[in-house]
Order: sequence, then structure tokens, then C-alpha cells
Amino acid sequence: SQQGEEDPQALSIQEGENATMNCSYKTSINNLQWYRQNSGRGLVHLILIRSNEREKHSGRLRVTLDTSKKSSSLLITASRAADTASYFCATDHPSSNTGNQFYFGTGTSLTVIP
Amino acid sequence: DTEVTQTPKHLVMGMTNKKSLKCEQHMGHRAMYWYKQKAKKPPELMFVYSYEKLSINESVPSRFSPECPNSSLLNLHLHALQPEDSALYLCASSRWRREKLFFGSGTQLSVL
Repeated sequence: SQQGEEDPQALSIQEGENATMNCSYKTSINNLQWYRQNSGRGLVHLILIRSNEREKHSGRLRVTLDTSKKSSSLLITASRAADTASYFCATDHPSSNTGNQFYFGTGTSLTVIP
Repeated sequence: DTEVTQTPKHLVMGMTNKKSLKCEQHMGHRAMYWYKQKAKKPPELMFVYSYEKLSINESVPSRFSPECPNSSLLNLHLHALQPEDSALYLCASSRWRREKLFFGSGTQLSVL
């Protein structure tokens, strides 16, 4: 399976704290993306980082990518109750002959307590 | 318009029924996707259409039949489903290869 793995599976923090979740994958990638999903809803794209990038920021989000370790992390700073959701990484692999095969990691369920 | 619209939002069907899920986007995206998601699991890729042609079929059983009538529409025809096919079915689109996905809110399917 090309599915990535995320840890922790579940994370519970107080509002205002930082949340860090990690994604590990098995094969080389073209890019890695992070998505958020509120319960039973569609996924929302957060950030895309390409294989030649090491760090990317978007508002309160910081993503790092270490291709030598085949891992990425998502940091959410100054968390809010509205950040409560599941977070998934998704990878796109060079072996894909269409460039349109995105495989999702196992996900981290984040709960931010007000 | 940056939306992907899926209908219906909920669907209950028997194992002998035939039904269809519909997905629509008007962003001019050239790739469209069907994903299946079971509770507390990640989305699993089912099909990919590129320029209205089926480019990826992830070994999905033939009781699921995708169709892309035009560049804005994607259907998933369902026939003789099993209870284990109950899941959230998500449609997504992207401008082209290796770009971010825009998801619809999904169809929650229950097979009785």
C-alpha cells in the first residue's frame, strides 16, 4: 500500500497550545499535501509542499518535509476550538503515470478544548 | 465558483437497487476523482478521470460504474451493492496533475 501513516492517531490539547502531527510515507514523492476534515464532511486543502521544499508556512500552519526520512510534520500554532477536526496527509508519487493518484495517510484526530 | 457539489447528501438503498451519485464542478478542472471513506478511516481512491477519460481504476468492483458525461460532471452508478459498501463517497477535482484537490461534502450511503 502507498498509504502514509500519521501519528499520533489522536491528540487533545487546550486552546492556545500548539499541535504537531506527523506523517510518514514509504516511497518517493512529487509533493505532499495536508487536508482537514470536519466530522462527516468533505476534506479541505490546507497546504502543499513540493519534494524540493523543506518548509512552508500559511497563517498559523507550518509544514516541514524531510525526504531523506520520508516524513512530514504539520504544526498548528495558537490552536482554537475551531481547529478540532481530523487531519490527513496525502502524497503523490512519481511512479504514477498520470500524476493524479493521491494517497491519504491514516489521519490524526485533533481535539482542541476551549 | 470554487465549489464541488455532490448530490444526494444521503442515500439509503437496498442490495437490488440501482442508484447514481452525482458530482459537479464549474472551475474548469480537468481531473475528477471518486474516493470512498469508511468511518474513522482515510479516503481510499476509487477512480480518476483526466480530460473526461478514465485514467485510474483502483481495482474497484464492477458494481461501481463511473461516468464522466462532460468536463463538469461526474457520476457514480451503483448496482447490486453489498452492506459493506456503506460509506461516505467523496468527489474531488483538481486543475490538473499534482495540484490540490477540491472536495465535495460527500454522499453518505447506507446499503441495507
